[in-house]
Amino acid sequence: DVKVTQSSRYLVKRTGEKVFLECVQDMDHENMFWYRQDPGLGLRLIYFSYDVKMKEKGDIPEGYSVSREKKERFSLILESASTNQTSMYLCASVVRIGSPLHFGNGTRLTVT
Amino acid sequence: DQQVKQNSPSLSVQEGRISILNCDYTNSMFDYFLWYKKYPAEGPTFLISISSIKDKNEDGRFTVFLNKSAKHLSLHIVPSQPGDSAVYFCAASAKETSGSRLTFGEGTQLTVNP
Repeated sequence: DVKVTQSSRYLVKRTGEKVFLECVQDMDHENMFWYRQDPGLGLRLIYFSYDVKMKEKGDIPEGYSVSREKKERFSLILESASTNQTSMYLCASVVRIGSPLHFGNGTRLTVT
Repeated sequence: DQQVKQNSPSLSVQEGRISILNCDYTNSMFDYFLWYKKYPAEGPTFLISISSIKDKNEDGRFTVFLNKSAKHLSLHIVPSQPGDSAVYFCAASAKETSGSRLTFGEGTQLTVNP
C-alpha cells in the first residue's frame, strides 16, 4: 500500500518566518505534488515535480518554492510566511501520469 | 476562473437512500474525471474515476455518470451509509496538459443520517 508521509500534522509559525513542509513517499513514484485546501476553494495546485531536481509551477505558486533532491522527498518552502498562507497543505504522489493521486494526511499550518 | 465547480456545499440524506453529488466543468479539454473522499484530519482518498470515452462507471455502491455535452458529472451512492459522511471532491485532468495535474472542485460535505 502506498504511503505518503507529511512530517508535521500541525504547525504554528510567525509572520516572516521561513517554513519547510516535508513530504516522503515510499513507492518510488516519480511524480509528486503540493496542494493547499481552503474552505470554499477546494484543492489548489501549488507546485509539482516529475523527477528529481525538476519542478513546475502550479496554479498558485506565488510565495512558495519547492525542493526535490531525492526521488522520495518533496519539500514545500514558504520563504517568508504570511497570514494568508494559513491553510491545510496536502502532498500527493502518483505512480504514472493518468493514475489517481495518493495523498498524505496533510499539514495544518497557522501563520500568526 | 473555477474550471471545476461543485455548486452544493453540503448535502444531507437518510441512511439507505440515494446520495447524488453533482459537478460541472468548463474546460472542454478535460478527458479524465475522478471523485475523492476526504474525512477530517485525513488526506483525500481516491473513490472512482471515469474517462471521457465512457458515460458511466460503476464500483459497488458508487456510480459516476458523465454527460459530455452538458459538461456535467455526478456521483451516485446507493444505498448511503453513515460512514459515507465526508467531503467529496470532484477533479478533472486533460491529457494534453499534464495527465495527473488535477483541477479540483470546491467540495461537497455529505452527511448521512442514521
